Amino acid sequence: DVKVTQSSRYLVKRTGEKVFLECVQDMDHENMFWYRQDPGLGLRLIYFSYDVKMKEKGDIPEGYSVSREKKERFSLILESASTNQTSMYLCASSFVRGGAYEQYFGPGTRLTVT
Amino acid sequence: LAKTTQPISMDSYEGQEVNITCSHNNIATNDYITWYQQFPSQGPRFIIQGYKTKVTNEVASLFIPADRKSSTLSLPRVSLSDTAVYYCLVGGANQAGTALIFGKGTTLSVSS
Repeated sequence: DVKVTQSSRYLVKRTGEKVFLECVQDMDHENMFWYRQDPGLGLRLIYFSYDVKMKEKGDIPEGYSVSREKKERFSLILESASTNQTSMYLCASSFVRGGAYEQYFGPGTRLTVT
Repeated sequence: LAKTTQPISMDSYEGQEVNITCSHNNIATNDYITWYQQFPSQGPRFIIQGYKTKVTNEVASLFIPADRKSSTLSLPRVSLSDTAVYYCLVGGANQAGTALIFGKGTTLSVSS
């Protein structure tokens, strides 16, 4: 079974802090994703990485950066956390089946910024 | 970008067939349609994926008409454990500007 793990299930940070969210996958997938999920808005893609050191912006990259130094690890960074970044953050990894991604998600990190 | 629209919620009873439709009028030629299921406090789980016509696996069927402007996830004989949020995702494995658009999800409630 594919396993995607996230460093924390719950996290509380203060406004202005630098926040690191870590994601690790064990299936040698090329592709990894970071989403945020908010009530009524569904999942929105923040960043995507298709290879080590490669990244693409998603729908809502503002206020976030990412790092992928190793294939199995994809980190989301909030340089200066703000209250509007309080959300559920979901990481996923995927292979490509046919012409599309089949994504496997981690359990999520619920981040609260106070 | 292919925006997707799904019903916000649906109700059903155990043993019934449930059909959830997703509209995606601006779907691109290279886009596929993928459906995910999400339970509370868990990440979404892949259910089924297709490009056109019909796809069936052990848990669901996916119907895609010829114009591909919509798709229907069909869950046969639902049970209480199928109560979840179902997301439609449109996008392809295109490295040049990924545009993976999730719908806002359909909350399915199954009652006994």
